[in-house]
Amino acid sequence: GAVVSQHPSRVICKSGTSVKIECRSLDFQATTMFWYRQFPKKSLMLMATSNEGSKATYEQGVEKDKFLINHASLTLSTLTVTSAHPEDSSFYICSASRTGVTNTEAFFGQGTRLTVV
Amino acid sequence: GDSVTQMEGPVTLSEEAFLTINCTYTATGYPSLFWYVQYPGEGLQLLLKATKADDKGSNKGFEATYRKETTSFHLEKGSVQVSDSAVYFCALSGGSSASKIIFGSGTRLSIRP
Repeated sequence: GAVVSQHPSRVICKSGTSVKIECRSLDFQATTMFWYRQFPKKSLMLMATSNEGSKATYEQGVEKDKFLINHASLTLSTLTVTSAHPEDSSFYICSASRTGVTNTEAFFGQGTRLTVV
Repeated sequence: GDSVTQMEGPVTLSEEAFLTINCTYTATGYPSLFWYVQYPGEGLQLLLKATKADDKGSNKGFEATYRKETTSFHLEKGSVQVSDSAVYFCALSGGSSASKIIFGSGTRLSIRP
């Protein structure tokens, strides 16, 4: 199956700093990528939809200035958590939809556990 | 909007027991339905899917049938193993959600040896 790689898998940062998370589709082109956040023992909350070459579409309640998303190519989307605070600590997961396939095919990265101290 | 409701966990079973995790959905149009599994500390993996009514998805001994009349997609396995311990998410895509995937709240499954 298709592979989506997310990096880093774990990151610890100091409060006030910024952290960048990368999501790559390794063997297919993805015009659309999604970023999710998962709280402990909770489901995945869709944060934003990232479209190659255009601005991301954010879900209601998600601060676009805090969670910067860039989708510069068909194989790479990045999520930058700016001025991170302890409440931003969470598990972030990306997914990519494969180009040319119906909208039912999505592949997930391994996730990134962010801890802000 | 579209939504997915699945049974609350945690669910604890003995090895070789029969498993059912209920899932119902609300959607306009004709969504595709999925079950994803998340092992501890990992991302999500697609377990099985069904794209139209009466389709049965199956994988690793797990099965789920797309029931349009009851808007359900219950996950079943005849004999669970300790290695099946994980969190299971029911999800849908399509309908009014376009390419987004809408997830249920997840059900944590623990299997005792």
